[in-house]
Amino acid sequence: DQQVKQNSPSLSVQEGRISILNCDYTNSMFDYFLWYKKYPAEGPTFLISISSIKDKNEDGRFTVFLNKSAKHLSLHIVPSQPGDSAVYFCAASAQNYGGSQGNLIFGKGTKLSVKP
Amino acid sequence: DAGVIQSPRHEVTEMGQEVTLRCKPISGHNSLFWYRQTMMRGLELLIYFNNNVPIDDSGMPEDRFSAKMPNASFSTLKIQPSEPRDSAVYFCASSFWQVGAEQYFGPGTRLTVT
Repeated sequence: DQQVKQNSPSLSVQEGRISILNCDYTNSMFDYFLWYKKYPAEGPTFLISISSIKDKNEDGRFTVFLNKSAKHLSLHIVPSQPGDSAVYFCAASAQNYGGSQGNLIFGKGTKLSVKP
Repeated sequence: DAGVIQSPRHEVTEMGQEVTLRCKPISGHNSLFWYRQTMMRGLELLIYFNNNVPIDDSGMPEDRFSAKMPNASFSTLKIQPSEPRDSAVYFCASSFWQVGAEQYFGPGTRLTVT
């Protein structure tokens, strides 16, 4: 059973508008969440992260929101640019519960297309 | 830093042959991860090492798969014998094991088994 779910396989947005990518998780022990961006023929690259002690983290045009009660996080990109077109992966980790420290569980990804 | 280095970038082999994928992690990182990406299953963890020691290999699909990390700067993932269903992109990633540490991925090896 998938512990990290990205239910939208694709998303299309106009340049300059907001892109919102969603991610849900089932394991309440997850306490650290990350977003990765992947271009074709390249490995995923780290974008932004958030610890469970926070509900928001911002880095330039990228903001991640965490709703622990709903086990939901989202990535907002404002304004969206054509260069943001890529596959975005949500990942989660149970950092403070030993054993699997450092291990990330990934969602299947959402392909974002930003149209000029 | 050169980042995580993987070789080869592309591998085409026939069913039954042995395949060896190689990875050089970022210098100073002490955790190394092997992932496989397919359309059906997405990005799935195969095995990971901390300080060269395998910690969790529960994602390794079968005994045909094996991974080693003889030192801090090198790891291999071997498939013997290979099968067409092993065709996928295999990624290696490394990190410095601490709370909140993100993983840095290599460019991947695209494996095609015919």
